Amino acid sequence: KQEVTQIPAALSVPEGENLVLNCSFTDSAIYNLQWFRQDPGKGLTSLLLIQSSQREQTSGRLNASLDKSSGRSTLYIAASQPGDSATYLCAVSGFGNEKLTFGTGTRLTIIP
Amino acid sequence: DVKVTQSSRYLVKRTGEKVFLECVQDMDHENMFWYRQDPGLGLRLIYFSYDVKMKEKGDIPEGYSVSREKKERFSLILESASTNQTSMYLCASSFWGQGTYNEQFFGPGTRLTVL
Repeated sequence: KQEVTQIPAALSVPEGENLVLNCSFTDSAIYNLQWFRQDPGKGLTSLLLIQSSQREQTSGRLNASLDKSSGRSTLYIAASQPGDSATYLCAVSGFGNEKLTFGTGTRLTIIP
Repeated sequence: DVKVTQSSRYLVKRTGEKVFLECVQDMDHENMFWYRQDPGLGLRLIYFSYDVKMKEKGDIPEGYSVSREKKERFSLILESASTNQTSMYLCASSFWGQGTYNEQFFGPGTRLTVL
């Protein structure tokens, strides 16, 4: 059974710093990996999707990498801003399987 | 842009009531999903549907049922609400086809409190 872990559960950094969020998964036979952002009391916003054949995806100040063989993904946020404060979730799906397995998230706080 | 809407942002119900949560998507997606989200447990899949009138159990289907009579609408039903069903409920949809890679899009969530 696939398990997804995100460590740390919470992270605080000063504004302007670059930072990395981590995601690990136990079964490397994944179809894709998605990173989401969730603001308090709200739904999930899709940030980036990495297909299993890809190594990374970029959107603005965000860069997500995938290393299937080691079961790891990272989300890099450049020049952090207070508006980046949110919970970040990663999720993976398997081949021929529409279901996503989620990590429990990292709660990020950017200190002005 | 994909839009997934949920009928209520906040809902308060009493134990034993029958509760309906509605989800609508406007992008002609085949797949629709219901999750619940609880502190420390993350998101867990309750049910999903890959076509009209089709449904499959997720990880925690007990105490829930679903209905999908139209492609754009997926309903979650709590037959007899209990206090342990107090949670945030999230609906999602995705298009399954070449080049789409099953990217899931989420609604704003319904915070359900059962008293």
